[in-house]
Amino acid sequence: GAVVSQHPSWVICKSGTSVKIECRSLDFQATTMFWYRQFPKQSLMLMATSNEGSKATYEQGVEKDKFLINHASLTLSTLTVTSAHPEDSSFYICSARDLPESGTIQDTQYFGPGTRLTVL
Amino acid sequence: QKEVEQDPGPLSVPEGAIVSLNCTYSNSAFQYFMWYRQYSRKGPELLMYTYSSGNKEDGRFTAQVDKSSKYISLFIRDSQPSDSATYLCAMTGGYNKLIFGAGTRLAVHP
Repeated sequence: GAVVSQHPSWVICKSGTSVKIECRSLDFQATTMFWYRQFPKQSLMLMATSNEGSKATYEQGVEKDKFLINHASLTLSTLTVTSAHPEDSSFYICSARDLPESGTIQDTQYFGPGTRLTVL
Repeated sequence: QKEVEQDPGPLSVPEGAIVSLNCTYSNSAFQYFMWYRQYSRKGPELLMYTYSSGNKEDGRFTAQVDKSSKYISLFIRDSQPSDSATYLCAMTGGYNKLIFGAGTRLAVHP
């Protein structure tokens, strides 16, 4: 149980284009999903917290107009990198928090496999 | 001062060794403690989850929490080359964002 998927697993795009990354909780409902980015040999940096049906909460320094987050259902959140530039190249990882009623561990997050974005 | 301190390593040990990974934290509001394992270019995988002070064992892994010292540890017994990965500690005070350590890179050589 507690499986989170991401699509695509890797993407290469030209500078100035937009890229959408999907995050799905496959076997549980997630009211809250999180988006992280990770640079090589560094830890995860939280970008935003996404709650189903409401606007995402962005961390300080993260441009909300550049990183658009939509959490339209309890199993799907999307991150769109708009007008991508080479400095946006990174490893983007989502995680999902399970609902307490499911009987699984509370207050922990299950991570997706990540999406490697390369902007040329 | 960072909320969570973790030595990034790298840590290199021979196969079969006991590995000790540690994190210290400064926020006494943290109540939930986790250890994640991350292989290169993969998402983190939850290894251990603890709430109270004390030890929790799962196979070759033992998680230890000392809230009075604000110190957590992960022990790996009989380490294997397949344990080579980055180990991240993480903690939170409740239904809130996780605070991660920097991650410790572990290499277990045959």
